[in-house]
Amino acid sequence: GQNIDQPTEMTATEGAIVQINCTYQTSGFNGLFWYQQHAGEAPTFLSYNVLDGLEEKGRFSSFLSRSKGYSYLLLKELQMKDSASYLCAVRDGDYKLSFGAGTTVTVRA
Amino acid sequence: IAGITQAPTSQILAAGRRMTLRCTQDMRHNAMYWYRQDLGLGLRLIHYSNTAGTTGKGEVPDGYSVSRANTDDFPLTLASAVPSQTSVYFCASTPSVESDEQFFGPGTRLTVL
Repeated sequence: GQNIDQPTEMTATEGAIVQINCTYQTSGFNGLFWYQQHAGEAPTFLSYNVLDGLEEKGRFSSFLSRSKGYSYLLLKELQMKDSASYLCAVRDGDYKLSFGAGTTVTVRA
Repeated sequence: IAGITQAPTSQILAAGRRMTLRCTQDMRHNAMYWYRQDLGLGLRLIHYSNTAGTTGKGEVPDGYSVSRANTDDFPLTLASAVPSQTSVYFCASTPSVESDEQFFGPGTRLTVL
């Protein structure tokens, strides 16, 4: 399997910015994904990076550095509904996804 | 409504019993996946199917089997359930293995006593 590390928990205030880091080691690389998962629900797709650099989608941005085995998800203008678990996933050379354990983000008023 | 469905929503099962979790998608996706999600461990791939008629083993395949007789259905069978198989099971699909996004079903919460 792959080795994917991300922080367990993060807390931030409504309106603030939070950055969730993810480091990985993989045999072959075919993209890095971020998913959002609210408690008791299924994961939903947020972003996909396969080349180095920043991908921006509204309030969410994702960055990738393949040489460093590093990615981050940036959540801007935090809202209460952003309280969720954020999953980093890496697709390996066989096109299979491996997930990190997830980062639980709590947004406080 | 197009999408991916799973059944049952939840189930309590006695150890040693056989159980099949159902997964159906109507998006004509070629690739389908089964994951289990346990607290602190994240999602782990059990089995996958890149296209109808083919299946492969993921990270944690022991105690599970799958079949892919057609494009839409991808059932997961526990031949003889054990308590360590207590978990939330998610089925997912994607148009092809190279696609950007996997679409997840709502999940099945399974408890083995």
